[in-house]
Amino acid sequence: DIQMTQSPSSLSASVGDRVTITCRASQFISTYLNWYQQKPGIAPKLLIYGASTLQSGVPSRFSGSGSGTDFTLTITSLQPEDFATYYCQQSYITIGTFGQGTKLEI
Amino acid sequence: QVQLVQSGAEVQKPGASVKVSCKASGHALSDYAMHWVRQAPGQRLEWMGWINADSDKTKYSEKFQARVTITRDTSATTVYMELNSLTYEDTAMYFCAINSSPATATVYAFDVWGQGTMLTVS
Repeated sequence: DIQMTQSPSSLSASVGDRVTITCRASQFISTYLNWYQQKPGIAPKLLIYGASTLQSGVPSRFSGSGSGTDFTLTITSLQPEDFATYYCQQSYITIGTFGQGTKLEI
Repeated sequence: QVQLVQSGAEVQKPGASVKVSCKASGHALSDYAMHWVRQAPGQRLEWMGWINADSDKTKYSEKFQARVTITRDTSATTVYMELNSLTYEDTAMYFCAINSSPATATVYAFDVWGQGTMLTVS
């Protein structure tokens, strides 16, 4: 099974900061990597798919990059509504293995 | 834009079964493959399985293969996820989700989600 490992597991930042979250796959997954944002008690929201394609309606301060095994999600100029938990998901082998999440706190 | 509406919270005893439904509004559900994802309290998301748009193919995660069944009703307006032989570890929020566009479907990115159904095994 492919293991997805995110780092850090938690992150403290301030409004206006730039943050980067990393996701590493235990084996090659090409660009079959998606990013989600989740707030407590609410379904996840798709941010980035195919490693770098911004989902429609998602602000351009979110961006994704990477291929192979190493990927990043970058948020420039953090806004108050960005404080949430972020998950990566691989879909190269089997349909969905998720990372453990990165909690972004104020 | 399609919206997914799930059935309400459930409380079940260990050993019992649960059947959760997911219905679409704003678009025909029959156009989409439907996935089920669960999240235990404080845990990561787990993909459980899916049924294709034609309802003739299902695929389940190895973890749930022996206990889960995903079906679509004959009118194709509602999809069901049934989980058998429940244990305390099945206490979780269960989500239905779809890939609503060809682009997101290519990489199995879930771009529309139901609101979630909380299952408590107690």
